[in-house]
Amino acid sequence: EAGVAQSPRYKIIEKRQSVAFWCNPISGHATLYWYQQILGQGPKLLIQFQNNGVVDDSQLPKDRFSAERLKGVDSTLKIQPAKLEDSAVYLCASSLELATGEQYFGPGTRLTVT
Amino acid sequence: GEDVEQSLFLSVREGDSSVINCTYTDSSSTYLYWYKQEPGAGLQLLTYIFSNMDMKQDQRLTVLLNKKDKHLSLRIADTQTGDSAIYFCARDSGGYQKVTFGTGTKLQVIP
Repeated sequence: EAGVAQSPRYKIIEKRQSVAFWCNPISGHATLYWYQQILGQGPKLLIQFQNNGVVDDSQLPKDRFSAERLKGVDSTLKIQPAKLEDSAVYLCASSLELATGEQYFGPGTRLTVT
Repeated sequence: GEDVEQSLFLSVREGDSSVINCTYTDSSSTYLYWYKQEPGAGLQLLTYIFSNMDMKQDQRLTVLLNKKDKHLSLRIADTQTGDSAIYFCARDSGGYQKVTFGTGTKLQVIP
C-alpha cells in the first residue's frame, strides 16, 4: 500500500513570496489533515478535511493560508504571502475515518522563509 | 501551559528499558496515542490505548495509563539504536476527535 505522498520535500523562499504544497493521501482515506510542525514542537493542526469538506480550520491563519481538497483526494496548502515565522515542516496525514487518531503521515515539506 | 506535556530528552544505553512520560490536562479523551518520528520523516503511529484501559502491551512496547493523575507512559523494553527518534504522545478530544500532540521527547540510545 502506497503511503501519503508530499511534494516538494524542501522549499526555500523569501518573505512575502507565495508557496504551495501538495499532498496525495492513501487511497480510500476520507480524512486529510495538514499540520504545521515548528522545530522542537509537536505538530499543530491547521486544517482537516472530510472528503472535500472542511471539518476544522480553526487554527488556520486565513489571512495568508488557504487549502483545498478538490474531488476529495489530493490537497494543496498555500501560503501567500509568507512570513519568517512560517518556517516549519508542513505535514500531511490521512485516515480512513473521521473520528480517529490512527493517522498516516507523509514525510513533510520543510519550508524555510528568509 | 501546554495541553499535553512531555520531557524534552531521554538518554538510555542499548539493551536497557526506556520510559517516556506524558501528562495531559483534558480528561475527555477516548484514545491516547504514541507516535514515533525519525529524522526527516513524518510521524508513525506506534500504539494506542483506549481510555478505559490501564495497560496495553505490544511486543517490546508497554503503555501505561493513569487516568486519575492524567499520566501516560511508554516503556520500550530492550531499547535498540534503531529506537532513537522523537516520541510524541497524543490524545483525542471527543466529538469528532481532533488529535492534540505533545511537545515530543527525543530518545537517544547509546551503543
